[in-house]
Amino acid sequence: IVLTQSPGTLSLSPGERATLSCRASQSVTSDKLAWYQQKPGQAPRLLIYGASSRATDIPDRFIGTGSGTDFSLTISRLEPEDFAVYYCQQYVPSPPWTFGQGTRVEIK
Amino acid sequence: EVHLVESGGGLVQPGGSLRLSCAASGFTFRNFEMNWVRQAPGKGPEWVSYISTTGTSIYYADSVKGRFTISRDNGRNSLYLQMNSLRAEDTAIYYCASARYCNGGQCYVGIGDYWGQGTLVTVSS
Repeated sequence: IVLTQSPGTLSLSPGERATLSCRASQSVTSDKLAWYQQKPGQAPRLLIYGASSRATDIPDRFIGTGSGTDFSLTISRLEPEDFAVYYCQQYVPSPPWTFGQGTRVEIK
Repeated sequence: EVHLVESGGGLVQPGGSLRLSCAASGFTFRNFEMNWVRQAPGKGPEWVSYISTTGTSIYYADSVKGRFTISRDNGRNSLYLQMNSLRAEDTAIYYCASARYCNGGQCYVGIGDYWGQGTLVTVSS
């Protein structure tokens, strides 16, 4: 399954809303779609699993939606620490698992 | 506190070999499926390999199949990746990561919230 993320870069100001898209080349079984955040020099951090469930300690401003082939991550109000790169990943029952190419959220 | 510490990366010539290790602590390693994930400079993560809790189920990405071997030693709380016939396109940071995430009494295989800091593998002459 190929995951295509858009846009490549989002330039926004703190307090604004960010909407990131992840489109799959075929349906993602049981909505097994996750979102990760990655900051420079760090490993990815799990934000969302099952397309819409927040991982432990993830703030409620991170909202995952979608099903089938179209998924979105919305950050309702950007905080300074949210400027980072975001990746989607599918984890259908059997590997291979794949990641999208990422969306960079940068300060405008 | 959970720790995953990778080691064994470095500079190697094309066609060479390396063995990566990952030492786990702070969680019950034998109960977790594990992944190796790599990330080339400026690129997104790429899943490389998966191993089940007992090592009886193993998967590889097509890009490494036949060249890389994943293994684990639950007695030593360690994960390994033997990499042979290395190519320039294998250059990346290699992360070990848990492949099981549990929340609200349910567990999901294929994703994880335990990641190491990564070890850099550079394949170049």
